[in-house]
Amino acid sequence: ELKVEQNPLFLSMQEGKNYTIYCNYSTTSDRLYWYRQDPGKSLESLFVLLSNGAVKQEGRLMASLDTKARLSTLHITAAVHDLSATYFCAVDHETSGSRLTFGEGTQLTVNP
Amino acid sequence: DAGITQSPRYKITETGRQVTLMCHQTWSHSYMFWYRQDLGHGLRLIYYSAAADITDKGEVPDGYVVSRSKTENFPLTLESATRSQTSVYFCASRRRQGLHYNEQFFGPGTRLTVL
Repeated sequence: ELKVEQNPLFLSMQEGKNYTIYCNYSTTSDRLYWYRQDPGKSLESLFVLLSNGAVKQEGRLMASLDTKARLSTLHITAAVHDLSATYFCAVDHETSGSRLTFGEGTQLTVNP
Repeated sequence: DAGITQSPRYKITETGRQVTLMCHQTWSHSYMFWYRQDLGHGLRLIYYSAAADITDKGEVPDGYVVSRSKTENFPLTLESATRSQTSVYFCASRRRQGLHYNEQFFGPGTRLTVL
C-alpha cells in the first residue's frame, strides 16, 4: 500500500525566511503533484512533476522530485504572507490506478 | 470554460434525510472522484468512477451512493444523512493519456451540515 508522508504538518515562519516542506512516499513512482488549499477554498494545482530530477518553479515556490529517494521537496524562498495556505503532495502509483494518494497536508502560516 | 462545478455550495439538512450533491465537469474527463475533507483526516476518497456506468468504492463509502449515467455528471447521494457526514465534499476529475493519468482538478466544494 502506497503511503505518503509530509513534514512538517504545521509550519509557522516569518516573512522573508526560507523553508522546505518534505513529501516522502513509500513505493516507486515518478509522478508527483503539489496542491495548494487556501482556508475555505478548494485545492488548486501548483506543480506537476513527471520524472526523476524534475524541478518546477513559480514565484517563491520551487518543487523538485527525486524518485530514487522517493522524496519531493517544496522550497519556499523569502516567504510572504500570501503564501499562507495548506500544501498537499499527491502521488500516482500503478497499483492505485487513477487514484491519487495524498499526504496529510502541511499548514503553512507566514507571519509578518 | 466552466471546468468542474459543484452544487449546492452549502447545504444544511437534518439527520435521516436524503441529500444529493451534484458534480459536473465540462472537460469530458473519464475519471471522476468524490472526497470528503474533515479536520484531522485530510482528504478521504469516498467513491470514484472510470467512465459512465463504472463506479468503485474508495476509502470511506459507507452511507453514500453514486451513479454516473453521463460522463460529465457524478452525483453523490447520502441516503440517510447522519451527523458524522457533516463535512466538506470535493469532486474531482482527471483524464488518462496513454499509460498515465494527467493532473487531477478539483471542484469548489460543497459544505454540508447535518443537524
